[in-house]
Order: sequence, then structure tokens, then C-alpha cells
Amino acid sequence: DADVTQTPRNRITKTGKRIMLECSQTKGHDRMYWYRQDPGLGLRLIYYSFDVKDINKGEISDGYSVSRQAQAKFSLSLESAIPNQTALYFCATSDSGQPRAQYFGPGTRLLVL
Amino acid sequence: GEDVEQSLFLSVREGDSSVINCTYTDSSSTYLYWYKQEPGAGLQLLTYIFSNMDMKQDQRLTVLLNKKDKHLSLRIADTQTGDSAIYFCAERGDTGRRALTFGSGTRLQVQP
Repeated sequence: DADVTQTPRNRITKTGKRIMLECSQTKGHDRMYWYRQDPGLGLRLIYYSFDVKDINKGEISDGYSVSRQAQAKFSLSLESAIPNQTALYFCATSDSGQPRAQYFGPGTRLLVL
Repeated sequence: GEDVEQSLFLSVREGDSSVINCTYTDSSSTYLYWYKQEPGAGLQLLTYIFSNMDMKQDQRLTVLLNKKDKHLSLRIADTQTGDSAIYFCAERGDTGRRALTFGSGTRLQVQP
């Protein structure tokens, strides 16, 4: 079984709808992250969480919110989806020790019409 | 802010060596990473190097770090068609930032 899973893998929604992307991990890591990937722009950090009570904004948090329901679960919500939120979304995890590499889920491809 | 830059595209022939380059601006970088992304998949950690090292070798992969010039490279020996993918360089600083900064990725195309 994959260590980091994301649901759904693909989602089509309409402008103005609220949607939630979910991430679960079995790696036992305390840190979790949400990124979005756009062609030619690499990965940009949306939110990150160091534990259930420690949630922080990344560089592009506007229009997004997150919830850390448990150490193993971190969900990303788009409160009112807009077309420029069409992207590939990745969840990642890391532990707090060195080298603190991040391990990624398979991604959710989101299309906002 | 911190920046990581990579060339967008590299094409090599099967069996040749590939060298993917990366430059970064954060002089406090502690670890630098290489990730591989195959079509339709997430990012897979290939290797990493600590900033006090010059080189790290792992089977067909060699990472070279020039900390003075803030230049990182990934060499893939005997490149295979299965190595075709996008390769991302990432760095983690020691400035209180808590996440990785990624380059925009280099697409490696391996010609048979």
C-alpha cells in the first residue's frame, strides 16, 4: 500500500463550488504539506502543518483552507473554486529529523470549469 | 526571496550520461534534494546531499555541489529510456523557513 494517499485522484468542478481534497499517510510523519503544480512553475507551497495544532500558510494560501484532523490526515479545501485553481495538487509528508526529505502522494488533478 | 533555477529541457541518447544543473540563491541551504516525476505520478525522492559535502554517489547517480557558486548537478550514468521524466531540484534553508523551495523542473528526454 502507498505510504501517502490522496483522494480523489481526479476531480472536475464548477466555479463557485466548495471542494475538499484529502490526504492520508501511514509513514508516521508529524509534518504534512500541500503544494500545487502548474506547468513550468514547479511546486508552490499552499499550507503546511507541523502537528495537529500547528498550521501555517505557505506562499499561495489565498482561496484555500486546511484541516489537520489527526496526525495522519491533512485536508485541503477550496471554499469557492475558480478556474485559475485548475492545477495538480500534491500532499507531502516529512519527519522532524534530518535530512527532512519530503515524500509525496500521487497527486489530485483538479479542473475548475 | 529564495530562488531555485533549472533549465527546462535536456535530450540525450540512451547509454550516454545526463547532467542536470540547478542553481540556488539561499546561502544558508542545509540540504539539497533531487526528485523525479514520471508522467501521472507524484514526486519520488532520488537523493539528497548535505551542504558540507561536495559529492555523493548512489549507483548510477552522482550529485555534485559547489557551495561557493551555489550550483548543484545530478549526473545519471548510462541513461536509459526509463529515466525519461521531469527532475526537480529543491533546497531547504536554515533561515526559519520550514518547507522546501523547488525549481521549475528539467524534462529529460532519452532517445533510443
